[in-house]
Amino acid sequence: AQSVSQHNHHVILSEAASLELGCNYSYGGTVNLFWYVQYPGQHLQLLLKYFSGDPLVKGIKGFEAEFIKSKFSFNLRKPSVQWSDTAEYFCAVKGNQAGTALIFGKGTTLSVSS
Amino acid sequence: EAGVTQSPTHLIKTRGQQATLRCSPISGHTSVYWYQQALGLGLQFLLWYDEGEERNRGNFPPRFSGRQFPNYSSELNVNALELEDSALYLCASSLEGLGYTFGSGTRLTVV
Repeated sequence: AQSVSQHNHHVILSEAASLELGCNYSYGGTVNLFWYVQYPGQHLQLLLKYFSGDPLVKGIKGFEAEFIKSKFSFNLRKPSVQWSDTAEYFCAVKGNQAGTALIFGKGTTLSVSS
Repeated sequence: EAGVTQSPTHLIKTRGQQATLRCSPISGHTSVYWYQQALGLGLQFLLWYDEGEERNRGNFPPRFSGRQFPNYSSELNVNALELEDSALYLCASSLEGLGYTFGSGTRLTVV
């Protein structure tokens, strides 16, 4: 069975600091990987996704993520965070076998102070 | 295009009652997914429907059930409600698993 682990439960940063949120997954095959963001009071939005090809994926709002297959990781990065990045971030994985569902990590709350 | 719509927005039920939550997917999307978002637990996968059939089920008791209608909309039913069922229930739709669009959710409160 697939699973997703997000290492940080709550991250607190000052504006302009760099961000890296860890995500590791467990699955014995090819995967599709996603990062979603949930801003306060809003619904989940897709930040970026990886299906195949270049392991460095660029998403919206300056976010990027790198898929490292040997480490089963898909960490999210942003060089300089803004106050408006305050939100909850979810890593998700879907195995490529038929019938596998999209499974989420428990989420990381990011608080950015101005 | 209209997004994924869920109703009602809020629902308050008494322990032991039944709750019915509804979801309308994006036009053209045939798959509907249900998730439970409880405080501190992230999104836990509940059910997946595609073309009217249940494709996969998460680790939830049988009192969580649902169905998908011919127009691809879906219902989630929770029977014999317990206090721990209080959570935000999210619905997502996709076309062939290539992207998942989420609704705003139904906040279920069991008292």
